[in-house]
Amino acid sequence: ETGVTQSPTHLIKTRGQQVTLRCSSQSGHNTVSWYQQALGQGPQFIFQYYREEENGRGNFPPRFSGLQFPNYSSELNVNALELDDSALYLCASSPLEGGYNEQFFGPGTRLTVL
Amino acid sequence: AQSVTQLGSHVSVSEGALVLLRCNYSSSVPPYLFWYVQYPNQGLQLLLKYTTGATLVKGINGFEAEFKKSETSFHLTKPSAHMSDAAEYFCAVASGSARQLTFGSGTQLTVLP
Repeated sequence: ETGVTQSPTHLIKTRGQQVTLRCSSQSGHNTVSWYQQALGQGPQFIFQYYREEENGRGNFPPRFSGLQFPNYSSELNVNALELDDSALYLCASSPLEGGYNEQFFGPGTRLTVL
Repeated sequence: AQSVTQLGSHVSVSEGALVLLRCNYSSSVPPYLFWYVQYPNQGLQLLLKYTTGATLVKGINGFEAEFKKSETSFHLTKPSAHMSDAAEYFCAVASGSARQLTFGSGTQLTVLP
């Protein structure tokens, strides 16, 4: 069984640019959540996708957007990058079908904005 | 809104000593509670979770936690620390229709030889 994978591992961008991060969910999981973890802090919920629709969003501006594909993989897009967007971006998948299901995290993408 | 407070951003223990990492939460509904561990440059690994039932929860690597509703606490313990336990530990509560996780700010555990 393949776990959650994310690409790329590391990324360096400059302020104002756009970035796309990718996540492949664990086999059998139909839900993907994205989290931002700034240095020295706990992860913060960005949004969740369930069956290709946004299913909840945290306190992040609209320049953070996402997609989920029919195979349940997902993308996180960030436009107009700011220095404060530098963080580890974590993707988590789960089989959200009633009640609570455990979220399985990928290794993350480290984004540096210069 | 849910929130999580982890007391002590850094905890140091000697190898073989008791590990106690503190977590308090606020939740307007019965909570789902979790402890995750993060090793350097890695993602999060679930140590244990409380959803319903027994309030003393056992997890991986010898860790356990007790849900105390009256104290709104979910402290993580391990009887005897091992060098390999050195990592960052996060307490989290699940909430909302998306069951999103709200994390504490983390506790860095150092194990001294």
